[in-house]
Amino acid sequence: DIQMTQSPSSVSASVGDRVTISCRASQGISSWLAWYQQIPGKAPKLLIFAASSLESGVPSRFSGSGSGTEFTLTISSLQPEDFATYYCQQTSSFPLTFGGGTKVEIK
Amino acid sequence: QVQLVESGGGLVKPGGSLRLSCEASGFTFSDFYMSWIRQAPGKGLEWVSYISSVNTIYYADSVRGRFTISRDNAKNTLYLQLNSLRAEDTAVYYCARDRRTQWLPTSDFDHWGQGTLVTVSS
Repeated sequence: DIQMTQSPSSVSASVGDRVTISCRASQGISSWLAWYQQIPGKAPKLLIFAASSLESGVPSRFSGSGSGTEFTLTISSLQPEDFATYYCQQTSSFPLTFGGGTKVEIK
Repeated sequence: QVQLVESGGGLVKPGGSLRLSCEASGFTFSDFYMSWIRQAPGKGLEWVSYISSVNTIYYADSVRGRFTISRDNAKNTLYLQLNSLRAEDTAVYYCARDRRTQWLPTSDFDHWGQGTLVTVSS
C-alpha cells in the first residue's frame, strides 16, 4: 500500500498569510495526487487534481505542485473561509490512501 | 446539479448489519465509477470501497469480507452492505463520485454526499 504523510499536522496562520502544506508518498505516484479541503461538519471538497490542476470553481489562491513522491499545496493569501483541514490523496493505486490531514487554524 | 444523498446509517450492536444507500441525481450515474469513504469521529479520511461502471470492485483490507458494495443503475443508487460490524467501523460514511475512467486511471472525487453516521456500540 502507498502511505501518504502530510506535514505539518497543524499550522496557525493569519488572514493574508502564505501557507504551504507538504505531502509525501511512500513510493512514486507520478502526478496522481489530489488535495481536498474539509470544513468541520461538511464533506470534503476537491481543490486540486493531477497534483497541480485547479478544480473548476476553486479560487486561484490555491495551487499545487510536485511529482513523484513530494507534493505541496500552497494558499497564497489565506482568507477567513480557508480555515479548515486539508487532505492529500494518492489517486492511482488501490487501496486509495489519504494523508493524515493538516489543520489550518487562526493565529 | 450533481447530488449524492446517503441514507441508512444508525446505531447497531457489534456483530450487526446495516445497508447504506446513496441516491444520485444530476448526472448519468451508470457512466461513473463510485466510491465509499469513511471518517471516524475526529479522525481523517479512509477509503473503503470502489465500484466501476462495469462492476469492477475493490475493498480496503479493513473491510474486505465484511462489506459489500453494489449499484443499481436503474435506480441511480449505490449501496454498501455492512456485516459483522465492529466498534472501529463507527464513522461517517460518504459516497463520492469517482472520475476514474478506462482512459484516465485516476480516482479523484469531485462530488461527495453529506454523509451518514454509523455507530457500532453495545
